[in-house]
Amino acid sequence: NAGVTQTPKFQVLKTGQSMTLQCAQDMNHEYMSWYRQDPGMGLRLIHYSVGAGITDQGEVPNGYNVSRSTTEDFPLRLLSAAPSQTSVYFCASSYSGRLNEGYQETQYFGPGTRLLVL
Amino acid sequence: QKEVEQDPGPLSVPEGAIVSLNCTYSNSAFQYFMWYRQYSRKGPELLMYTYSSGNKEDGRFTAQVDKSSKYISLFIRDSQPSDSATYLCAMSARSNFGNEKLTFGTGTRLTIIP
Repeated sequence: NAGVTQTPKFQVLKTGQSMTLQCAQDMNHEYMSWYRQDPGMGLRLIHYSVGAGITDQGEVPNGYNVSRSTTEDFPLRLLSAAPSQTSVYFCASSYSGRLNEGYQETQYFGPGTRLLVL
Repeated sequence: QKEVEQDPGPLSVPEGAIVSLNCTYSNSAFQYFMWYRQYSRKGPELLMYTYSSGNKEDGRFTAQVDKSSKYISLFIRDSQPSDSATYLCAMSARSNFGNEKLTFGTGTRLTIIP
């Protein structure tokens, strides 16, 4: 298994440009999510999905769109890039289902995409 | 005020020392508590998780949760240079779907000096 893969690894954008960050997993996980990591802010949830066709907003969704047409893929779209979106973006996946008490499924993170918006 | 507070460090200790990393939180609904390790330019990887209060030990690592004080700790015994990384605490409340909406601390950067 490749686990969680992300492309590209690095990207430089100009303000106003759009782009899509790709995320794929081969573990048949239902749950996928996108985080951004900024110095002093930790990891913040942007959007998440509990299954194909189902997405919801996280803590910092503005300026980002997502869709989930397949179990494997969960792309993140920047509609009109702004310097405030300069960050490291991580995709994560895990099995999602009704939990028994005390059971917590591991979230597997991808290697990240470093984005610089000029 | 952030829901989860974590001292960013950096923290430097000599090899072989016991390391103590801590987080405090304000949301009493949190029931799942995790520690992630993140090496430079890599994604976080789950190190320890604990449900509700108590201790959990795995090799050189011990996780403690004190829900009454809203305080969690990670102890690393016999620290090694390979333990040098950023350690992030994370927590979540119980929900129907389980593990969405993890709330992370900012991370503590740890360096073990040989």
